[in-house]
Amino acid sequence: AQSVSQHNHHVILSEAASLELGCNYSYGGTVNLFWYVQYPGQHLQLLLKYFSGDPLVKGIKGFEAEFIKSKFSFNLRKPSVQWSDTAEYFCAVIITSSGSARQLTFGSGTQLTVLP
Amino acid sequence: NAGVTQTPKFQVLKTGQSMTLQCAQDMNHEYMSWYRQDPGMGLRLIHYSVGAGITDQGEVPNGYNVSRSTTEDFPLRLLSAAPSQTSVYFCASRIEGATNTIYFGEGSWLTVV
Repeated sequence: AQSVSQHNHHVILSEAASLELGCNYSYGGTVNLFWYVQYPGQHLQLLLKYFSGDPLVKGIKGFEAEFIKSKFSFNLRKPSVQWSDTAEYFCAVIITSSGSARQLTFGSGTQLTVLP
Repeated sequence: NAGVTQTPKFQVLKTGQSMTLQCAQDMNHEYMSWYRQDPGMGLRLIHYSVGAGITDQGEVPNGYNVSRSTTEDFPLRLLSAAPSQTSVYFCASRIEGATNTIYFGEGSWLTVV
């Protein structure tokens, strides 16, 4: 079964610092990749997604992610974080090359705290 | 507004009680699923359905039942609640197709005492 690893469980940054959150997945076939954000007390919101094409995808709120197939990675980046980016971030994967119903598998999440 | 609607948003249960979390979507999505979210574990798939009349187990199905009598509704039942089922539950739906865009409900906070 596929799995998704987010190695950073909690990241603390000061405002204006640059952000990179790691995401690795463990499937060698074709995948769709997602980053979701969950602000305190709220539901999941889609930040960005990768299906095909340009491996550098841009999402909402200045976030971007790069798909590196050789490294099975889909790291999330933001050049300059703001206090309002404090949230939990989840990487997720759907395997698209399987003939059966394709499950969305989540990583364990990374809590980002941005200090003002 | 179109989307995924979950009720209730908050619920406290006593051990052994039963309850149903409701989930409805009005986007005619074939695929619906239930996740639970626990600290440090991300979201784990409980049950899913690829269409009316079809359900299957996910990663953590024990203690939960589901049914899919209509395309719109996908209720999650706890027959005998246990403290280990204290969690936040999310319902999600999507179209089986190229976009694979998933829509989440707003979550249901369940506490079992």
